[in-house]
Amino acid sequence: GAGVSQSPRYKVAKRGQDVALRCDPISGHVSLFWYQQALGQGPEFLTYFQNEAQLDKSGLPSDRFFAERPEGSVSTLKIQRTQQEDSAVYLCASSSRGQGAGGLLRNEQFFGPGTRLTVL
Amino acid sequence: SQQGEEDPQALSIQEGENATMNCSYKTSINNLQWYRQNSGRGLVHLILIRSNEREKHSGRLRVTLDTSKKSSSLLITASRAADTASYFCATDSWGKLIFGQGTELSVKP
Repeated sequence: GAGVSQSPRYKVAKRGQDVALRCDPISGHVSLFWYQQALGQGPEFLTYFQNEAQLDKSGLPSDRFFAERPEGSVSTLKIQRTQQEDSAVYLCASSSRGQGAGGLLRNEQFFGPGTRLTVL
Repeated sequence: SQQGEEDPQALSIQEGENATMNCSYKTSINNLQWYRQNSGRGLVHLILIRSNEREKHSGRLRVTLDTSKKSSSLLITASRAADTASYFCATDSWGKLIFGQGTELSVKP
């Protein structure tokens, strides 16, 4: 069946350029997560949506990072005025469970292949 | 910031041997999960253990959790070359996954 898809798979940007990364979650999944993974490191949480509501954006590194999920399905992570330290793999994940009584006791997340962003 | 540390950072074994990876974390958790990542298939969920469980099995995988020591271990038995990958533990704190830095496992045929 269809998993989480992300596009583009690779993006090269010049420093100062704006980029938009797209995530298509598994159909019907309530929760959507964005993570940033630097080379040789584990993924780091950026932000979380439940349907169209952004419930947690505590991991966004600066106000240059913005995420949206306007209709509760596809999500876009936008990075403005990219800098070299933004170079990383950006992973999207979705989950069928959301917040609520017992809702997060089992939260298996399904990850997309990631977008590798290189800022020159 | 990362939740904790994984040990060892790298592990090289022969096919057929067992591989053990350890993970320590810092805060209270709802559950702990293990993921595998390789270049071919991205990040794949392996197993989840709840905070009130102590041990769980799935095929060749065995996971233990000690909440008093804030640690977990992943055992892969009878390893195969296809098990070569990076393995991450991740603690689940109300939906947000916080990953360790990973163990890079190499299984030589």
